[in-house]
Amino acid sequence: TQLLEQSPQFLSIQEGENLTVYCNSSSVFSSLQWYRQEPGEGPVLLVTVVTGGEVKKLKRLTFQFGDARKDSSLHITAAQPGDTGLYLCAGSTPGNQFYFGTGTSLTVIP
Amino acid sequence: EAQVTQNPRYLITVTGKKLTVTCSQNMNHEYMSWYRQDPGLGLRQIYYSMNVEVTDKGDVPEGYKVSRKEKRNFPLILESPSPNQTSLYFCASSLRGRLFAKNIQYFGAGTRLSVL
Repeated sequence: TQLLEQSPQFLSIQEGENLTVYCNSSSVFSSLQWYRQEPGEGPVLLVTVVTGGEVKKLKRLTFQFGDARKDSSLHITAAQPGDTGLYLCAGSTPGNQFYFGTGTSLTVIP
Repeated sequence: EAQVTQNPRYLITVTGKKLTVTCSQNMNHEYMSWYRQDPGLGLRQIYYSMNVEVTDKGDVPEGYKVSRKEKRNFPLILESPSPNQTSLYFCASSLRGRLFAKNIQYFGAGTRLSVL
């Protein structure tokens, strides 16, 4: 089983602070996605990264794919209460299987 | 509206009583998949399908069956449910199985299953 480990598992911060969530694996993935999930709903895709070393920015969110394509990070600048949710990374293999990370539960306190 | 529809949303059953969770998508997607979500374990893939009549095991297929007779439907079958299958289940679909930058995986709202 190719397990994607996320850290931290839980994160509680004040509005306006910055944070970084990490997604690590011992396996190489074809590409990696980040999702956000809110209670009672399915995950919603935020971004896909496909090239080692790739950096993508989505407003206050910055996503990076490691050079070796085994790890990724999500950085949020000036967090807002609307950023609260469960953040999940997911990697795909050439065999079309998806492996999700263990999740990071983020709470942004107003 | 593009969507993945799962039914039922909530289900309580007893050990050994066969059940089916339905999943339907209206986006003409080729790839469909089932996941279960458990605390501390994230989402784990149960089965996936690259297209009609093509299904493959994911990470945790034991105790589950699937079929893909039509492109839009991908039911999950539990022939003899057991308490360790109590979980939150998600169906998902995407245009293709391969993850390209614009290949979005859409998820249903989830089915919460309790097996007593």
